[in-house]
Amino acid sequence: SQTIHQWPATLVQPVGSPLSLECTVEGTSNPNLYWYRQAAGRGLQLLFYSVGIGQISSEVPQNLSASRPQDRQFILSSKKLLLSDSGFYLCAWSPATYEQYFGPGTRLTVT
Amino acid sequence: DQQVKQNSPSLSVQEGRISILNCDYTNSMFDYFLWYKKYPAEGPTFLISISSIKDKNEDGRFTVFLNKSAKHLSLHIVPSQPGDSAVYFCAASANRDDKIIFGKGTRLHILP
Repeated sequence: SQTIHQWPATLVQPVGSPLSLECTVEGTSNPNLYWYRQAAGRGLQLLFYSVGIGQISSEVPQNLSASRPQDRQFILSSKKLLLSDSGFYLCAWSPATYEQYFGPGTRLTVT
Repeated sequence: DQQVKQNSPSLSVQEGRISILNCDYTNSMFDYFLWYKKYPAEGPTFLISISSIKDKNEDGRFTVFLNKSAKHLSLHIVPSQPGDSAVYFCAASANRDDKIIFGKGTRLHILP
């Protein structure tokens, strides 16, 4: 069966510091991968999605970036965090169907 | 522009009664609709889906209804149980696009 991992589970970072969140998927190959952010009152906002290694599409211009160095690894990064980057970050994967399956999430607090 | 709208931020329903969560969409190209359930501090879990060629899909206590002419879908939970208390997200996708568009969610409270 497929499983999706995210770490860390929680993170507190000062403004201006860098960020690296990692997501890995097991039990499947060539998945579509997604990064979402859930901010208070704003639902699930798609940040990035990837259909293959090195292929990243950005949905929201901001100071975040994503990379996919391996087939089942998706990384969300920032060089300098802003207060507005606080939120709950979710990684998801999908096979060749519509459904997406989400990881446990990372709670990021920027202070 | 919000393509998937859940206009009720919250809903309270008595245990054992029917919960009805509503969702409206604006993009007529959407051809697949999904509902996700989310507990606090956890990732959303897939609940049920419906293709635009159908108007109803049922899975146990959960039924999704689709009204294409009104661009409206609803999720019915019968009977409602305490464990159903969560945030429910409506989502939609177009032509097997790589993206799913989510609504803002509706928080469901099941009252004892």
